[in-house]
Amino acid sequence: EPEVTQTPSHQVTQMGQEVILRCVPISNHLYFYWYRQILGQKVEFLVSFYNNEISEKSEIFDDQFSVERPDGSNFTLKIRSTKLEDSAMYFCASRSTENTEAFFGQGTRLTVV
Amino acid sequence: TQLLEQSPQFLSIQEGENLTVYCNSSSVFSSLQWYRQEPGEGPVLLVTVVTGGEVKKLKRLTFQFGDARKDSSLHITAAQPGDTGLYLCAGAVWTNAGKSTFGDGTTLTVKP
Repeated sequence: EPEVTQTPSHQVTQMGQEVILRCVPISNHLYFYWYRQILGQKVEFLVSFYNNEISEKSEIFDDQFSVERPDGSNFTLKIRSTKLEDSAMYFCASRSTENTEAFFGQGTRLTVV
Repeated sequence: TQLLEQSPQFLSIQEGENLTVYCNSSSVFSSLQWYRQEPGEGPVLLVTVVTGGEVKKLKRLTFQFGDARKDSSLHITAAQPGDTGLYLCAGAVWTNAGKSTFGDGTTLTVKP
């Protein structure tokens, strides 16, 4: 069964360092998303990406965040200068069309120390 | 801003009991998904409901979408310890980049 895969599963980084979280969406999907979930809190939308550009971003997604689809398969989230409060589970999701359900990856646990 | 409120937040029951989890909003959604999430893992899709009034069954789980597409419920019959987990509802609006708005989740514990 096709699935969204994310790497790494766990990333520990020093405050101020750059991190790149990687995702391989389901192959025929066209819409891509990043969400985050701070421990004990709800899943929050960060950004949506379609047709090689951001279609919507939340207020969490500030200038420190960027997304890229460098090739036909990968979808990355970069945090330029991590802060302690960036520690969270980051989930990638994809959907085939705008009106179908989203499928989520297993997540990357980011710990900023 | 679209909000989804889930209730109850925590539910602890004995094996064999029935339960219902509610997901309510003042906003209309194009579709609503129910996910189950295990600790440290991503949400796993259980079902999608699209049509107002729609009812879907998945073994002992029954999902309903409200007529006005603002609310949904998840009913579990004869709960088993294997049903223990975090249940999330998420609404999507197709004209809104298809992003999902999540509820806070319901943590279900089924005791043997």
